[in-house]
Amino acid sequence: NAGVTQTPKFRVLKTGQSMTLLCAQDMNHEYMYWYRQDPGMGLRLIHYSVGEGTTAKGEVPDGYNVSRLKKQNFLLGLESAAPSQTSVYFCASSSPSSGSGDDTQYFGPGTRLTVL
Amino acid sequence: GNSVTQMEGPVTLSEEAFLTINCTYTATGYPSLFWYVQYPGEGLQLLLKATKADDKGSNKGFEATYRKETTSFHLEKGSVQVSDSAVYFCALSYTGANSKLTFGKGITLSVRP
Repeated sequence: NAGVTQTPKFRVLKTGQSMTLLCAQDMNHEYMYWYRQDPGMGLRLIHYSVGEGTTAKGEVPDGYNVSRLKKQNFLLGLESAAPSQTSVYFCASSSPSSGSGDDTQYFGPGTRLTVL
Repeated sequence: GNSVTQMEGPVTLSEEAFLTINCTYTATGYPSLFWYVQYPGEGLQLLLKATKADDKGSNKGFEATYRKETTSFHLEKGSVQVSDSAVYFCALSYTGANSKLTFGKGITLSVRP
Protein backbone atom coordinates (compact mmCIF):
# COMPACT_ATOMS: atom_id res chain seq x y z
CA ASN A 1 0.00 0.00 0.00
CA ALA A 2 1.92 3.04 -1.30
CA GLY A 3 -0.53 5.71 -0.09
CA VAL A 4 -0.01 8.97 -1.98
CA THR A 5 2.85 9.19 -4.46
CA GLN A 6 4.11 12.17 -6.46
CA THR A 7 6.14 12.36 -9.64
CA PRO A 8 8.70 13.85 -10.10
CA LYS A 9 10.48 14.56 -6.80
CA PHE A 10 12.53 17.44 -8.18
CA ARG A 11 12.37 19.58 -11.32
CA VAL A 12 14.07 22.68 -12.66
CA LEU A 13 12.30 24.68 -15.36
CA LYS A 14 13.07 27.78 -17.32
CA THR A 15 10.58 30.62 -17.39
CA GLY A 16 7.87 29.90 -19.95
CA GLN A 17 8.29 26.14 -19.99
CA SER A 18 5.41 23.85 -19.17
CA MET A 19 5.19 20.72 -17.06
CA THR A 20 2.77 18.38 -15.37
CA LEU A 21 3.01 17.03 -11.84
CA LEU A 22 1.40 13.67 -11.23
CA CYS A 23 -0.26 12.57 -8.01
CA ALA A 24 -1.52 9.03 -7.50
CA GLN A 25 -3.31 7.45 -4.55
CA ASP A 26 -4.22 3.83 -3.95
CA MET A 27 -6.63 4.34 -1.04
CA ASN A 28 -9.75 4.77 -3.20
CA HIS A 29 -10.18 8.29 -1.84
CA GLU A 30 -12.76 10.54 -3.41
CA TYR A 31 -11.14 13.89 -2.64
CA MET A 32 -7.73 15.03 -3.85
CA TYR A 33 -5.88 18.30 -3.36
CA TRP A 34 -2.86 20.23 -4.56
CA TYR A 35 -1.04 22.58 -2.17
CA ARG A 36 2.03 24.71 -2.44
CA GLN A 37 4.38 25.34 0.47
CA ASP A 38 6.41 28.51 0.67
CA PRO A 39 8.63 29.71 3.54
CA GLY A 40 6.62 31.54 6.20
CA MET A 41 3.35 30.93 4.35
CA GLY A 42 2.32 27.47 5.48
CA LEU A 43 0.49 25.42 2.87
CA ARG A 44 -1.95 27.04 0.48
CA LEU A 45 -4.55 25.20 -1.55
CA ILE A 46 -4.19 25.52 -5.33
CA HIS A 47 -6.97 23.28 -6.69
CA TYR A 48 -8.95 20.35 -5.43
CA SER A 49 -11.27 17.66 -6.67
CA VAL A 50 -14.24 16.01 -4.95
CA GLY A 51 -14.51 13.20 -7.44
CA GLU A 52 -13.50 11.82 -10.82
CA GLY A 53 -14.12 14.37 -13.56
CA THR A 54 -14.56 17.31 -11.18
CA THR A 55 -12.16 20.07 -10.16
CA ALA A 56 -12.45 23.34 -8.25
CA LYS A 57 -10.28 26.34 -7.47
CA GLY A 58 -8.59 26.80 -4.16
CA GLU A 59 -6.91 29.80 -2.60
CA VAL A 60 -4.14 30.35 -5.18
CA PRO A 61 -5.26 28.84 -8.54
CA ASP A 62 -3.80 31.37 -10.98
CA GLY A 63 -1.20 29.95 -13.37
CA TYR A 64 -2.20 26.33 -12.72
CA ASN A 65 -4.61 23.86 -14.26
CA VAL A 66 -5.68 20.43 -13.03
CA SER A 67 -7.40 17.33 -14.30
CA ARG A 68 -8.95 14.30 -12.60
CA LEU A 69 -9.65 11.85 -15.40
CA LYS A 70 -9.25 8.83 -13.14
CA LYS A 71 -10.23 8.57 -9.50
CA GLN A 72 -6.72 7.61 -8.41
CA ASN A 73 -4.86 10.36 -10.28
CA PHE A 74 -4.79 14.14 -9.95
CA LEU A 75 -2.60 16.11 -12.35
CA LEU A 76 -1.31 19.64 -11.80
CA GLY A 77 -0.19 21.55 -14.88
CA LEU A 78 1.86 24.67 -15.32
CA GLU A 79 1.34 25.98 -18.85
CA SER A 80 3.95 28.76 -18.72
CA ALA A 81 6.12 28.56 -15.62
CA ALA A 82 7.13 31.73 -13.77
CA PRO A 83 9.76 32.23 -11.04
CA SER A 84 6.91 32.95 -8.59
CA GLN A 85 5.90 29.31 -8.98
CA THR A 86 9.15 28.12 -7.41
CA SER A 87 7.86 26.14 -4.46
CA VAL A 88 7.34 22.72 -2.94
CA TYR A 89 4.11 21.13 -4.16
CA PHE A 90 2.19 18.63 -2.10
CA CYS A 91 -0.68 16.43 -3.12
CA ALA A 92 -3.15 15.02 -0.61
CA SER A 93 -6.20 12.80 -0.62
CA SER A 94 -9.07 12.07 1.72
CA SER A 95 -12.41 10.36 1.90
CA PRO A 96 -14.61 12.45 4.18
CA SER A 97 -17.83 10.86 2.97
CA SER A 98 -16.72 7.29 3.65
CA GLY A 99 -19.00 7.05 6.65
CA SER A 100 -16.12 6.27 8.99
CA GLY A 101 -15.93 9.88 10.11
CA ASP A 102 -12.29 10.03 9.06
CA ASP A 103 -11.70 13.34 7.29
CA THR A 104 -7.93 13.07 7.55
CA GLN A 105 -5.94 14.20 4.56
CA TYR A 106 -2.99 12.00 3.61
CA PHE A 107 -0.06 13.73 1.97
CA GLY A 108 2.48 12.73 -0.63
CA PRO A 109 6.23 13.36 -0.21
CA GLY A 110 6.24 16.54 -2.28
CA THR A 111 7.77 17.86 -5.51
CA ARG A 112 10.41 20.57 -5.30
CA LEU A 113 10.09 22.84 -8.33
CA THR A 114 12.52 25.60 -9.24
CA VAL A 115 11.72 28.03 -12.05
CA LEU A 116 14.70 30.01 -13.31
CA GLY B 1 -13.18 33.35 6.30
CA ASN B 2 -11.46 30.64 8.28
CA SER B 3 -7.95 31.16 9.59
CA VAL B 4 -5.39 29.52 11.84
CA THR B 5 -2.79 31.44 13.81
CA GLN B 6 0.31 29.81 15.24
CA MET B 7 2.86 31.31 17.56
CA GLU B 8 5.97 32.73 15.94
CA GLY B 9 9.02 30.53 15.68
CA PRO B 10 11.47 28.99 15.51
CA VAL B 11 11.56 27.22 18.85
CA THR B 12 14.72 25.66 20.25
CA LEU B 13 14.58 23.40 23.29
CA SER B 14 16.88 21.07 25.15
CA GLU B 15 16.07 17.38 25.22
CA GLU B 16 13.51 16.45 27.92
CA ALA B 17 12.14 20.01 28.09
CA PHE B 18 8.40 20.71 28.13
CA LEU B 19 6.89 21.84 24.85
CA THR B 20 3.90 24.08 24.18
CA ILE B 21 3.04 25.35 20.70
CA ASN B 22 0.09 27.70 20.62
CA CYS B 23 -2.61 27.55 17.98
CA THR B 24 -5.80 29.58 17.77
CA TYR B 25 -8.40 29.56 15.05
CA THR B 26 -11.20 31.63 13.57
CA ALA B 27 -14.05 29.66 12.04
CA THR B 28 -17.80 29.30 12.01
CA GLY B 29 -19.50 26.23 13.37
CA TYR B 30 -17.53 23.23 14.55
CA PRO B 31 -14.50 22.41 12.45
CA SER B 32 -12.18 19.49 13.03
CA LEU B 33 -8.73 20.49 14.27
CA PHE B 34 -5.43 18.91 13.35
CA TRP B 35 -1.75 18.97 14.05
CA TYR B 36 0.46 17.85 11.19
CA VAL B 37 4.23 17.29 11.44
CA GLN B 38 6.80 17.57 8.68
CA TYR B 39 10.16 15.93 9.30
CA PRO B 40 13.15 17.21 7.30
CA GLY B 41 12.86 16.33 3.63
CA GLU B 42 9.50 14.62 4.00
CA GLY B 43 5.82 15.33 3.40
CA LEU B 44 3.27 16.13 6.08
CA GLN B 45 2.03 13.44 8.46
CA LEU B 46 -0.99 13.64 10.68
CA LEU B 47 0.15 13.86 14.29
CA LEU B 48 -3.21 14.12 16.04
CA LYS B 49 -6.71 15.43 15.60
CA ALA B 50 -9.87 16.35 17.47
CA THR B 51 -13.32 16.57 15.95
CA LYS B 52 -15.43 18.22 18.63
CA ALA B 53 -15.17 20.55 21.60
CA ASP B 54 -13.29 19.20 24.65
CA ASP B 55 -11.90 16.27 22.65
CA LYS B 56 -8.24 15.53 23.33
CA GLY B 57 -6.09 14.21 20.53
CA SER B 58 -2.91 12.36 21.45
CA ASN B 59 -0.09 10.54 19.69
CA LYS B 60 3.62 9.86 20.31
CA GLY B 61 3.45 11.69 23.65
CA PHE B 62 1.92 14.81 22.12
CA GLU B 63 -1.48 16.09 23.22
CA ALA B 64 -3.86 18.85 22.22
CA THR B 65 -7.34 19.69 23.51
CA TYR B 66 -10.08 21.28 21.39
CA ARG B 67 -11.12 24.39 23.36
CA LYS B 68 -14.19 25.95 21.82
CA GLU B 69 -14.44 28.72 24.44
CA THR B 70 -10.94 30.00 23.67
CA THR B 71 -10.86 28.79 20.02
CA SER B 72 -7.55 27.10 20.70
CA PHE B 73 -5.81 23.80 20.03
CA HIS B 74 -2.42 24.10 21.73
CA LEU B 75 0.09 21.28 21.23
CA GLU B 76 1.98 19.98 24.28
CA LYS B 77 4.55 17.34 25.07
CA GLY B 78 6.00 16.71 28.50
CA SER B 79 9.51 15.69 27.43
CA VAL B 80 10.76 16.35 23.91
CA GLN B 81 13.37 14.27 22.13
CA VAL B 82 15.88 15.16 19.43
CA SER B 83 13.77 13.08 17.03
CA ASP B 84 10.87 15.55 17.53
CA SER B 85 12.77 18.20 15.59
CA ALA B 86 10.44 19.08 12.73
CA VAL B 87 7.98 21.66 11.44
CA TYR B 88 4.55 21.57 13.10
CA PHE B 89 1.39 22.81 11.41
CA CYS B 90 -1.96 23.47 13.01
CA ALA B 91 -4.94 23.17 10.67
CA LEU B 92 -8.72 23.03 10.53
CA SER B 93 -11.28 21.62 8.16
CA TYR B 94 -14.91 20.65 7.91
CA THR B 95 -16.23 17.28 6.86
CA GLY B 96 -18.01 16.74 3.59
CA ALA B 97 -17.91 19.11 0.62
CA ASN B 98 -16.04 21.78 2.57
CA SER B 99 -13.22 19.51 3.69
CA LYS B 100 -10.40 21.79 2.55
CA LEU B 101 -7.66 22.24 5.13
CA THR B 102 -6.75 25.71 6.32
CA PHE B 103 -3.21 25.72 7.67
CA GLY B 104 -1.29 27.92 10.02
CA LYS B 105 2.14 29.09 8.89
CA GLY B 106 3.95 26.32 10.72
CA ILE B 107 6.62 26.49 13.37
CA THR B 108 10.06 24.91 13.33
CA LEU B 109 11.07 23.01 16.45
CA SER B 110 14.73 22.16 17.06
CA VAL B 111 15.64 19.95 20.02
CA ARG B 112 19.24 19.98 21.24
CA PRO B 113 20.80 16.88 22.82
